[in-house]
Amino acid sequence: GQNIDQPTEMTATEGAIVQINCTYQTSGFNGLFWYQQHAGEAPTFLSYNVLDGLEEKGRFSSFLSRSKGYSYLLLKELQMKDSASYLCAVKGGGSYIPTFGRGTSLIVHP
Amino acid sequence: GAVVSQHPSWVICKSGTSVKIECRSLDFQATTMFWYRQFPKQSLMLMATSNEGSKATYEQGVEKDKFLINHASLTLSTLTVTSAHPEDSSFYICSARDEPGSSTDTQYFGPGTRLTVL
Repeated sequence: GQNIDQPTEMTATEGAIVQINCTYQTSGFNGLFWYQQHAGEAPTFLSYNVLDGLEEKGRFSSFLSRSKGYSYLLLKELQMKDSASYLCAVKGGGSYIPTFGRGTSLIVHP
Repeated sequence: GAVVSQHPSWVICKSGTSVKIECRSLDFQATTMFWYRQFPKQSLMLMATSNEGSKATYEQGVEKDKFLINHASLTLSTLTVTSAHPEDSSFYICSARDEPGSSTDTQYFGPGTRLTVL
C-alpha cells in the first residue's frame, strides 16, 4: 500500500501564500492528485501531477518530485473561501485507484 | 467538466432499516464508480469499486452483504446499506472515473450523502 503524510492543520492570513506539503511512499508511482474539500461537502479536483515539476493553474500550483516522494500545493492570494481541507491522493502499487491522505485543514483568517 | 450527482443528500433512518443511495454521472459514461465512507475529520476510506455489469470489488473489512452495490448502467450505481445501525452513520461519497487510460484518469466526486441512523 501507500503511506501518505501531510500536516493535520495549517493557518494563514488572507492575501498571503501558503504551501501544503505531502510526502508519500509507494511502489510503482503513477500519479498524485490534490483535492479541496469544504466541510460537509465532497472533494473537488484541483490538480494532477505525474511528472516532476510545477503545474500552475490560476492561484493554485502543484509541485512533484518523484525521487523525493514529495509534493506540495501552493495557494497564492489566499481568500477566506480557501478555508477547507486539502487532500493529497497517490496512485501506485499497480492500482489505478488513488489512496487518500488524511487531509490538511487550512484555516484562513482576516 | 464531469458532473456526478448523488441522492439523497442526507437521510435519517431507524436502526434495522435499509437505505439506498444513488450515484449518477450526468454528462459522461462511467464504467467504474467508487464508494467511499468518511468519518468526521478522517480521510476518505474506499469501500468498494463498482463496475458496470459485474459484481463490485469490496475492500478488506467491508461486508458485501451489508453494503449492497449495483451498477446496472453506465451512468448509475447504487449503494444499499442493509439493516443499518448507529455505527453506520457516516458521510458516504461516490465518485466516477473519467476516461480510463487518459492522461488524467481523474475521479469526480458526487456531493455526498449524510446518513444518520437512530
